[in-house]
Order: sequence, then C-alpha cells, then structure tokens
Amino acid sequence: SQQGEEDPQALSIQEGENATMNCSYKTSINNLQWYRQNSGRGLVHLILIRSNEREKHSGRLRVTLDTSKKSSSLLITASRAADTASYFCATDARRTGGGNKLTFGTGTQLKVEL
Amino acid sequence: EAQVTQNPRYLITVTGKKLTVTCSQNMNHEYMSWYRQDPGLGLRQIYYSMNVEVTDKGDVPEGYKVSRKEKRNFPLILESPSPNQTSLYFCASSWSENSPLHFGNGTRLTVT
Repeated sequence: SQQGEEDPQALSIQEGENATMNCSYKTSINNLQWYRQNSGRGLVHLILIRSNEREKHSGRLRVTLDTSKKSSSLLITASRAADTASYFCATDARRTGGGNKLTFGTGTQLKVEL
Repeated sequence: EAQVTQNPRYLITVTGKKLTVTCSQNMNHEYMSWYRQDPGLGLRQIYYSMNVEVTDKGDVPEGYKVSRKEKRNFPLILESPSPNQTSLYFCASSWSENSPLHFGNGTRLTVT
C-alpha cells in the first residue's frame, strides 16, 4: 500500500486563489518531500521538510509537517495558470533490511483556470 | 546543464522482444533509481543503485534487470517484455537515497 496518500485527488481553482494539498502517511519518516509533475514529464523536486521541522517556505510554497498526525500540507499562494500540474508527496523512511526508501503517493491534480 | 537523460522517449515493442532503456546523469550522483508510473498507482520503484556495482530490488522488480558498471549510467533491461509492463518509466538520481531526486523526462513503453 502507498505510504503517502494525497488529498484531494483533484483540485480546480481560479488564478490568484490559494491551493492546499494534503498528504497523510503511515510510518515514522526521516523527511517528506513534495514534487511537481507537468503532464507526462519527469517529476521536479519542490521542497524537503525534515521530521524535526514544522514549517518551511520556498517562494509561493509553504509546507507544514505534523508528525503526531502523520500528515503534511502543501500550500501554493496566489496560484497561476502555470501551476497547473500534478503534485506528489514522497516520504523517506527506513527500509526493511536497512537503508532508506522514498515512497510516492498517487498525487493531486491541480488545475488553475484563468 | 545538470540533467538525467533517458532514451528512448517513446517505445512500442512486441511481447518477448528484449529491450533496453538507457539512463545517464551528469551530476556525479551516487544514487540512481528506476520507477514506473501507472494510473491510480503512483510511482513504484523497480530497482535502485547506491553506487557502482551495487544494485538492489525495489517494490516491483519482477521482469526487469539493471546494471551499474559506471557511475553515470543505469540502464533498465526487459529481457522478455509482457503487456503488463506497458507503463511510463522514469530514471532518477540523487546524492544519496534520501536526498531530493532529479528525474529524467520519462520513457513511455507500450508492449503489444
């Protein structure tokens, strides 16, 4: 089963509005990462938040992490049409047998309309 | 320009015909990984490599092989492709297994 589950699966907003996507996970993590994917293209890393951090900012992006609830949220402020993409959370956790493993969720499809 | 290069971008083949998808990175990354992306299932890891000559199975390794003879290259080999391997494949690299990944642009494979 997926470690990270995004919610909602799809989101449609107007340009200028804020978009919030949520990610829930099941096990303890080292860090949580958010990625963006334009249709059919490779994923692009947006932001990484470590397990001992609660909030992180990067430009119009704000990520929060609540390890007690095993959840994270990605907020995109003042959205633009160019933000239209799929957004994935990925959790980094210990792998059975040693080492670490990055597990991706199924993503949120964001559509920003003019 | 720092990048991960996959080839080919699109591939249509028939069941049982061996194929190789190449992946090369120019960032001197030690960690490389292959994923497949299927609707509703997200990205699932096929194989990964911590360094040259060190490879290991991911979540869905059946039907795939990899090799890591040089640091920059990490080819994905399908010895006998089957229709259930029709998917969008991504190669990725990073400094370590829990560092941000750099992805290639993907290879869309269709097996008939």
